[in-house]
Amino acid sequence: DAKTTQPPSMDCAEGRAANLPCNHSTISGNEYVYWYRQIHSQGPQYIIHGLKNNETNEMASLIITEDRKSSTLILPHATLRDTAVYYCIGLRSGAGSYQLTFGKGTKLSVIP
Amino acid sequence: GAGVSQSPSNKVTEKGKDVELRCDPISGHTALYWYRQRLGQGLEFLIYFQGNSAPDKSGLPSDRFSAERTGESVSTLTIQRTQQEDSAVYLCASNNRGSTYEQYFGPGTRLTVT
Repeated sequence: DAKTTQPPSMDCAEGRAANLPCNHSTISGNEYVYWYRQIHSQGPQYIIHGLKNNETNEMASLIITEDRKSSTLILPHATLRDTAVYYCIGLRSGAGSYQLTFGKGTKLSVIP
Repeated sequence: GAGVSQSPSNKVTEKGKDVELRCDPISGHTALYWYRQRLGQGLEFLIYFQGNSAPDKSGLPSDRFSAERTGESVSTLTIQRTQQEDSAVYLCASNNRGSTYEQYFGPGTRLTVT
């Protein structure tokens, strides 16, 4: 699985868009970019994933660069409840591929 | 609908005692996963159940750890002769296909071994 690099921490004003970057320069062609988050004292929460195209769901948008070496998770209108550690993971799909392993992630603090 | 539930939410036990942790997956989910997360650390995979297939036990750290799942329902994780290094949050996740990373997690059981 691809190694990913994320800033250790970020602040975002409540109501503004939170843009969380992730570098995955060694990602291979069949690896997806997955994002999870973990709010303090809760289990991890799946957010979104993508391969090549940009993706959007009810939680967030995922923008993947054309060369796939980096991506950005966008929370369009951050709320205090979005304060969490956000994990970007490069994962290969296929039989037997299911074990999640998180790096250090980005601690996002949403400021009132 | 109801998410993954785990019980108890907190468990304090004395060293050497056995503990049993329970996970109720989302109804209809065929795959169930157990992970361990030590304080300030990442996820540590323990065991994976997929339908009626033999479970993947490759992550169990020692023979003191075991898990069972009946069909596609409840799972129990048992730790025998607990040690202080077993103190952690034990997380359960489920999904409706095995080969996918879109896993839905429960709130975890915080185990403290004194």
